[in-house]
Amino acid sequence: DVKVTQSSRYLVKRTGEKVFLECVQDMDHENMFWYRQDPGLGLRLIYFSYDVKMKEKGDIPEGYSVSREKKERFSLILESASTNQTSMYLCASQEGDTEAFFGQGTRLTVV
Amino acid sequence: RKEVEQDPGPFNVPEGATVAFNCTYSNSASQSFFWYRQDCRKEPKLLMSVYSSGNEDGRFTAQLNRASQYISLLIRDSKLSDSATYLCAVTRRGQNFVFGPGTRLSVLP
Repeated sequence: DVKVTQSSRYLVKRTGEKVFLECVQDMDHENMFWYRQDPGLGLRLIYFSYDVKMKEKGDIPEGYSVSREKKERFSLILESASTNQTSMYLCASQEGDTEAFFGQGTRLTVV
Repeated sequence: RKEVEQDPGPFNVPEGATVAFNCTYSNSASQSFFWYRQDCRKEPKLLMSVYSSGNEDGRFTAQLNRASQYISLLIRDSKLSDSATYLCAVTRRGQNFVFGPGTRLSVLP
C-alpha cells in the first residue's frame, strides 16, 4: 500500500519561530508537492519538486522555503511563522501522469 | 482566470438522487484528469481517474470533453455516505498537479 507520511498531525507554534514540516513517501516518486488548504480557498500550491535538489515555486511561495535532499523526503520550512500561516498543510507525491497521493495533513496553528 | 474551476456548491440532494458536477480547465495541454473525494478534516483521496473514453465505477461515471475543456462526475443513487467535497485535478507530465476549489455535496435523508 502506498504511503505518504507527514511528521505531525497537529502543531502549535509561536509567531517568529522557524517551523519544519516533513513529508516522506515510500513510492520512489519523482514529484512531490506542498499545498495549503484554507476554507473557501481550496488547495493552493506552495512549492513542488520534480527531482532531488530541484524545486519550483507554486502559487503562494512567499514566506516559505523547501528542501529536497533525498528523493523520498520533501520538507517545507516556514522561516519566521506568522499568524496568517495558520492552515492545513498537505504534502503529496506523484509520478508521470498518474494520480497524486496525499499525506494525512498537518494542521498548523501559529499563535 | 483560474486554471481549474468548479462550482463550490453546496449541492444538497435527497438520498437516491442523481447529481452531476462539472469542472472546467483552461490549459489545453493538460493530459491527465482525476476526481478526488475529501471528507471533512481529512486528506483528499482518489475517487477515479478520467479517461478520454469516459469511465464508470459502480454508481460513479466520469467523462472528459477535451473540445470544451471540462470533466464531469455523475453520481447515481446518492447515499448519505457520499456527502463530501469533490475536487477535480488536472496535470501533464513534468508539470504541477492543479486542483479545483472543490464542490461540496450534502446528501440528505
